[in-house]
Amino acid sequence: GAGVSQSPSNKVTEKGKDVELRCDPISGHTALYWYRQSLGQGLEFLIYFQGNSAPDKSGLPSDRFSAERTGGSVSTLTIQRTQQEDSAVYLCASSSNSFGTPNYGYTFGSGTRLTVV
Amino acid sequence: RKEVEQDPGPFNVPEGATVAFNCTYSNSASQSFFWYRQDCRKEPKLLMSVYSSGNEDGRFTAQLNRASQYISLLIRDSKLSDSATYLCVGPSGGSYIPTFGRGTSLIVHP
Repeated sequence: GAGVSQSPSNKVTEKGKDVELRCDPISGHTALYWYRQSLGQGLEFLIYFQGNSAPDKSGLPSDRFSAERTGGSVSTLTIQRTQQEDSAVYLCASSSNSFGTPNYGYTFGSGTRLTVV
Repeated sequence: RKEVEQDPGPFNVPEGATVAFNCTYSNSASQSFFWYRQDCRKEPKLLMSVYSSGNEDGRFTAQLNRASQYISLLIRDSKLSDSATYLCVGPSGGSYIPTFGRGTSLIVHP
């Protein structure tokens, strides 16, 4: 697509339930990133995909968090047994690999606002 | 030391003012950076790229000072609509993961 698409845009879930967040990157972008942003805070890196593999998932806060990417395209971030502290905006970004070059194109989706009640 | 650091502000300026903020970086080999703008409750959006020669786009000028390891963003003739958080983004040494500063908040008032 023309931009990075995330769904759902808003999600309210009960504590203890599992949620899945989806990211559809820009066509042709091989790199995909997940971030989390709590209210008034900076971006917290979660995981990076290169194609279907995740060379860096050091930012995942606990084993309740997992992510996968299939076909080098769509990625799903899954949070199991959600807790109230998981409430945040989850942002996805995609890019080519050429950091700093004019075609780098690092672009964010509009995010999923997750509220755990 | 964090790889990219910014003064969180807020910078509170009147309409029409010129305002500048800096972002310091630790990786001396870095040669390219970006400034992103994030409006309240929105995703970050690319504002400008910054290479060794700097960049200018209308009222916005970004420059890279390699000797002192900082990049700057200058906004001339500030508008109310410039109120936002400005994020500095640099490369993370040895990886493809960009490094984001925590952002500088700008408030332009009438």
